[in-house]
Formats: sequence, structure tokens, C-alpha cells
Amino acid sequence: GAGVSQSPSNKVTEKGKDVELRCDPISGHTALYWYRQRLGQGLEFLIYFQGNSAPDKSGLPSDRFSAERTGESVSTLTIQRTQQEDSAVYLCASSLASGGPEAFFGQGTRLTVV
Amino acid sequence: AQSVSQHNHHVILSEAASLELGCNYSYGGTVNLFWYVQYPGQHLQLLLKYFSGDPLVKGIKGFEAEFIKSKFSFNLRKPSVQWSDTAEYFCAADSWGKLQFGAGTQVVVTP
Repeated sequence: GAGVSQSPSNKVTEKGKDVELRCDPISGHTALYWYRQRLGQGLEFLIYFQGNSAPDKSGLPSDRFSAERTGESVSTLTIQRTQQEDSAVYLCASSLASGGPEAFFGQGTRLTVV
Repeated sequence: AQSVSQHNHHVILSEAASLELGCNYSYGGTVNLFWYVQYPGQHLQLLLKYFSGDPLVKGIKGFEAEFIKSKFSFNLRKPSVQWSDTAEYFCAADSWGKLQFGAGTQVVVTP
């Protein structure tokens, strides 16, 4: 695709429900990142995929958070039993390779847990 | 732990003033450095990057940054800002693939 695409753009969910966020990276990009941006704060690293290597999950805040990636394409970030503190914008980015070219960002998914 | 820190959270300045935003990183070894900008309502986009070579790098829209290895710094500069430079600026560092960001600096340029 022309850019990194994320869906949905906005998601409102009730506390305790599970949510799934989707990211379509730029075609051919082997590296994919997920970040969380809480209101008024910086980008918090969540997880990183690079090709077929094991993902770096060191940023996932709890075991309620998980992510998958199918080959070098779509990734989904799943949050189980959502809490109000999970409310944030979730950003996805992709790049041609790790440790190299710039990362291109999607528009983000704004998650609100009520 | 590897981290990126930005010195200012908020900067307000007038048009034509000079801008310098501080960034320090705590990585050992090889590191790639970036500055990203997020204009109101838009995606994050790359301003400039440093991988190797000349430590003074030029980016888009008149921005530049200087890599000072001895100080673990990568400060962003622009000699004369415009109202359109109002945005949030993020410093980032990449070592072995894990791209980490600083907390961001909100820059407001007043006419």
C-alpha cells in the first residue's frame, strides 16, 4: 500500500472487553513496531517484529497485551480485559529493515475504555 | 537501560527566533539517531536522521542536528522558526532494531 494503514481509527470499548487493533504495513517492509501514546506523553515502545525473528516484546506492559504478525504483512495488537489506563493512541510503524531506514507511521488507533 | 531523553517538554517562541531542542541517549555502541515531527492532526514524519559520517545532518524545512558522540547528544536546531513549525518534536534512537523515542517537546511558535 501507499502508507501504513491502521484500523479502526477510533475504538470505544467497555472496561473488561477485549479489543483487537490492526496494522497494515507498507509492502516490503520487514520491520514493524507498535507504540502507545497516552495523552500528553511520549511514545512508549510496545513490541517490535523483524522478519522471521522472534519479536522483541520487552515493552508490553502486562500479559493482557499480545501481538502477532503474519509473515511480513498484517499485524494485530490484542488487549484483553481492557482497563481505563489502556486508553491511548496506539501507533504502528514499519520500515524496510531494522537499524536502518526511517520508520513510517500510521495515523494511529485512538482507544477509549469507558 | 537504553533510553532517550529530551530536555524540554514545552517551548514557546516567536517567529524568527532560533530553536534548539536537546536530546540525549544512553546507548553504547553503534546507534542510529532520528528526529521526528508531528504537526497537529498529522502522522509522525521524519525530519532528519544520522547513521554515520558527517555529524552535522541537514533535514527538511531548514532543520539540522548535530551528533556529538562524547556527549551522547543529538540536538535539533533551526536558525529562524516560522509559525508553521508549531508541532511536537520527538528524538529517537535505534540500536539493533529497537527504535525508542523520547517524551517529545511541544513547540509553539507565536506570530
